Amino acid sequence: DTGVSQDPRHKITKRGQNVTFRCDPISEHNRLYWYRQTLGQGPEFLTYFQNEAQLEKSRLLSDRFSAERPKGSFSTLEIQRTEQGDSAMYLCASSSRSNEQFFGPGTRLTVL
Amino acid sequence: GQQLNQSPQSMFIQEGEDVSMNCTSSSIFNTWLWYKQDPGEGPVLLIALYKAGELTSNGRLTAQFGTTRKDSFLNISASIPSDVGIYFCAGFTNAGKSTFGDGTTLTVKP
Repeated sequence: DTGVSQDPRHKITKRGQNVTFRCDPISEHNRLYWYRQTLGQGPEFLTYFQNEAQLEKSRLLSDRFSAERPKGSFSTLEIQRTEQGDSAMYLCASSSRSNEQFFGPGTRLTVL
Repeated sequence: GQQLNQSPQSMFIQEGEDVSMNCTSSSIFNTWLWYKQDPGEGPVLLIALYKAGELTSNGRLTAQFGTTRKDSFLNISASIPSDVGIYFCAGFTNAGKSTFGDGTTLTVKP
């Protein structure tokens, strides 16, 4: 399977804990995106990388959130001191030069 | 920020019927994409539109990029049960910034 993969698929954590998610994009794609999606809503843009450079961050991305793409391949999204409001589906997408973004299956985060 | 209004919010149709949904915005977009999402999965790209007025088909799906660049339409002909899901539109600016609609939930009754 050469699509976008995300790990883990599900994460349950207690409030205050840190969590880290991983995304592996389609191998030839240089652009990588993170989104958050809550029930009944469309995906909300969080941040965007072109190769290893983080080019844009949404205001939704508070200082508890950090994303990295150290070698321009896989990316990680870390949430520190999780809050119940962080419960959501976190989606990763990748694209080449066009805007056609291909999504992974998502990581479902539940904060208790 | 930019917002997309997607309608209808939900649709209940009989198998074999045609479906139409649309997205409108107060802002101009340079690309429109349409996605379908099944529960617990990521969105799957259906159709991409790059030029104002463009009409593109993918099987029973047809989408159009509105001439004002502020809207887009998706039509599904002869619906089948596997068309069930949530359909999202997404508008993209030249800078690559995306805005998604809140989805149209489609239910198809056999």
